[in-house]
Parts: sequence; structure tokens; C-alpha cells
Amino acid sequence: NAGVTQTPKFQVLKTGQSMTLQCAQDMNHNSMYWYRQDPGMGLRLIYYSASEGTTDKGEVPNGYNVSRLNKREFSLRLESAAPSQTSVYFCASRPSQGSHEQFFGPGTRLTVL
Amino acid sequence: GESVGLHLPTLSVQEGDNSIINCAYSNSASDYFIWYKQESGKGPQFIIDIRSNMDKRQGQRVTVLLNKTVKHLSLQIAATQPGDSAVYFCAENAAYGGSQGNLIFGKGTKLSVKP
Repeated sequence: NAGVTQTPKFQVLKTGQSMTLQCAQDMNHNSMYWYRQDPGMGLRLIYYSASEGTTDKGEVPNGYNVSRLNKREFSLRLESAAPSQTSVYFCASRPSQGSHEQFFGPGTRLTVL
Repeated sequence: GESVGLHLPTLSVQEGDNSIINCAYSNSASDYFIWYKQESGKGPQFIIDIRSNMDKRQGQRVTVLLNKTVKHLSLQIAATQPGDSAVYFCAENAAYGGSQGNLIFGKGTKLSVKP
């Protein structure tokens, strides 16, 4: 099992450009999450999907959209990137039944100029 | 709102010593707590968890202690090794409404192990 995979690993955008961060998990987990991590900060939840077909806002959803394409894939889209969105983005998944442990991907380091 | 915080942002220990990383939480309704380790350039990795009906849980070289009276959580690492150098995060379960199962993370403590 590859676990949680994220693409790309690194990305540089100009202000106003758009892009989609991809995330996939092969553990048959129901719930998936997108976080951002800024220097000296913990992880902040952007959006989550409790199950296939549902998505909900987290703590910092502004400027982002998500799509739960199927059970495996959960993408994060920046429609018009801003410098404040420079961050490291982590995707995570969770089985939902009987466990709160989340499994994290390796992250995408995004810089917006 | 809820918060999960840490008493010390950095901790430096000698190789072989024991390390104690502390965490305070504010939501007395939280029923699950988890510690993650994050090495430089990687995603967080699960270390150990504990439910609110327990005071202590032990793993391999790690122990988590939960004091619900003062809403305090600690992670103890025995015989700290250079490979333990990382940032450690505590997180609590957001035990409310539709967000149940979501985790709220603290800001992290950076552990440095001196050889």
C-alpha cells in the first residue's frame, strides 16, 4: 500500500493563477482532510470530507474549493492564488469507524509570488 | 473557540536522557487525544493515542499521560535518541456536532537531541 499520496511535491505560482492539489489514498478510508501548515503553526483544517459525496468547511476555507472525486481521491483547488496561501499543504485520511487516527501524506510545498 | 497548546515551543535534551513534552487543552468534552511526530520535510506520523477514560498509556519507549483535572497531556520519551529529533504535535478530538472525528492540533514542540 502506498498510503496517502500527494501531487505535486512543490509548486510555485504567480498571484492570480489557479491550480489543483491532488490527493489519493489506497486504504479504503471514508474520511479525508486538507490541512495547511505555516511556519511555527500547527495544522489548520481547510476542508474535510466525512464520506464519499460530502464535503464540509474547516477552520480556514476561504480561497479554496474541494472535490471528493470518489472514495480514493480528494482534491484541493485554489482558483486565484494569493501570497497568503503560501504554505505546506497536507492531505490526510481516516477509517472513520472506531479510530480517530489520521494518516498523512508527504505534503505539497506551495509558494505564491 | 477550542485550543490545544504547548507549554514550551522548543526542547533540547542529551542523547540517552528522558524527554517530556507537555500540552494543554481547553475542551473538557474532548474524548480522544493523539501525539504526532513530524520530521523535517515529511508529513506527521502517529506516535500514540489515549482515550479520556484512561490516565496513562505506554508504547515502545513512549508514554502518554492524561490529567483531565487540569486538562493536561504529556508525552514521555525514554532514552531519547538522535532519531527522535522532530516536531511533536498533540491533537484532540473535536467531539462536537458534525465535526466529530476532526482533530484540533497544537502548535508543536521542537525536540532537539544533542549527541
